[in-house]
Amino acid sequence: GAVVSQHPSRVICKSGTSVKIECRSLDFQATTMFWYRQFPKQSLMLMATSNEGSKATYEQGVEKDKFLINHASLTLSTLTVTSAHPEDSSFYICSAPAETGEKLFFGSGTQLSVL
Amino acid sequence: GQQLNQSPQSMFIQEGEDVSMNCTSSSIFNTWLWYKQDPGEGPVLLIALYKAGELTSNGRLTAQFGITRKDSFLNISASIPSDVGIYFCAGLHARDMRFGAGTRLTVKP
Repeated sequence: GAVVSQHPSRVICKSGTSVKIECRSLDFQATTMFWYRQFPKQSLMLMATSNEGSKATYEQGVEKDKFLINHASLTLSTLTVTSAHPEDSSFYICSAPAETGEKLFFGSGTQLSVL
Repeated sequence: GQQLNQSPQSMFIQEGEDVSMNCTSSSIFNTWLWYKQDPGEGPVLLIALYKAGELTSNGRLTAQFGITRKDSFLNISASIPSDVGIYFCAGLHARDMRFGAGTRLTVKP
């Protein structure tokens, strides 16, 4: 079946640095990908919709300049957390819909810890 | 975005027991999906439902797409310790995807 690969799985960084997370659709093309944030014991919170070849669509309350999204190809979307702070520490997950649009596949997630 | 109403929030059951959880919405969906998430991992698709009234099984898991297209349930029969995790429902209509808040399942050996 379709697979979404997300890297890195875990990253620890110093406050003030930037972190890039990659999300790849391995055997299908994804013109749209989604980025979520998940706090412990809570559900997925949609942050933004990544659109290939155009600007990402951000959910209300999500800072565009803080969470930079780039969808440069039909198989790759990246989320860059800029000038990370400890409150940005969280589990970030990407997903991509199948080409038929009837299923959504998730990456394995990235645990970000900002010291 | 707005979440689906998923219940129960958590369940503590004994190994071997059956489990049932459901999701409801005020909106109609064309697709219902059920996912399981293990700690530190992304959600994994368990079952996908595409037609109102559809009943689909995947091993010990059974899910149904409600007739009204506004609800779905997931049953797990004869639970085992590895069923532990968070189960999410998701409804899809056009490009609108909404998630339930999750059901946290604990299975006692």
